[in-house]
Amino acid sequence: EVQLVESGGGLVQPGGSLRLSCAASGFTVSNNYMSWIRQAPGKGLEWVSVIYSGGLTYYAATVEGRFTISRDNSKNILYLQMNRLRVEDTALYYCAGMTTGDAFDLWGQGTMVNVSS
Amino acid sequence: SSELSQPLSVSVALGQTATITCAENNIGDKNVHWYQQKPGQAPVLVIYGDTNRPSGIPERFSGSNSGNTATLTITRVQVGDEADYYCQVWDNRIARVFGTGTKVTVL
Repeated sequence: EVQLVESGGGLVQPGGSLRLSCAASGFTVSNNYMSWIRQAPGKGLEWVSVIYSGGLTYYAATVEGRFTISRDNSKNILYLQMNRLRVEDTALYYCAGMTTGDAFDLWGQGTMVNVSS
Repeated sequence: SSELSQPLSVSVALGQTATITCAENNIGDKNVHWYQQKPGQAPVLVIYGDTNRPSGIPERFSGSNSGNTATLTITRVQVGDEADYYCQVWDNRIARVFGTGTKVTVL
């Protein structure tokens, strides 16, 4: 069964850091495009970052310079390192895989990040 | 990047047809994908590449895209179709842009 499981969320103060993980099973992270997408409470979906199979990475303007997407091919895990966190980064963070062109056809259940003092 | 405009809400009678639009200049030149999100659940891809249904998605779901508007159509609407629906495009080969989202209510 193909599955993505996120972890690493929690409560952090503004200016702090967190690293999110997305463990994949039945699916190879390094062979596919992978993204992080977030959803603030009661709000819509916001794309955060992508890493292509070749290793290229891109970020939304709202997180550029603060967040870093990476992967561990040996562990089949996707990461999102989040630094200098802001209150507005509070959201449920999903990892998503793109195996059907550039559509997000695989989703985890999300991990909640709460940035608050 | 751009923001894709969707109606905030769509109400449809049980068994009738729901139409959800996604508007942007020249969206017809792009591949549009659609996602369904039920409360407390992760989004699910229901249409990709304008018109294609992933395995397991009922034929009642269909998509089209032309000019400045992409459309998701749900025929013979069921109570289980109540959800938020988001369109999404690949913008400038970098940003994945989501629409503002439409809440579908079944009457």
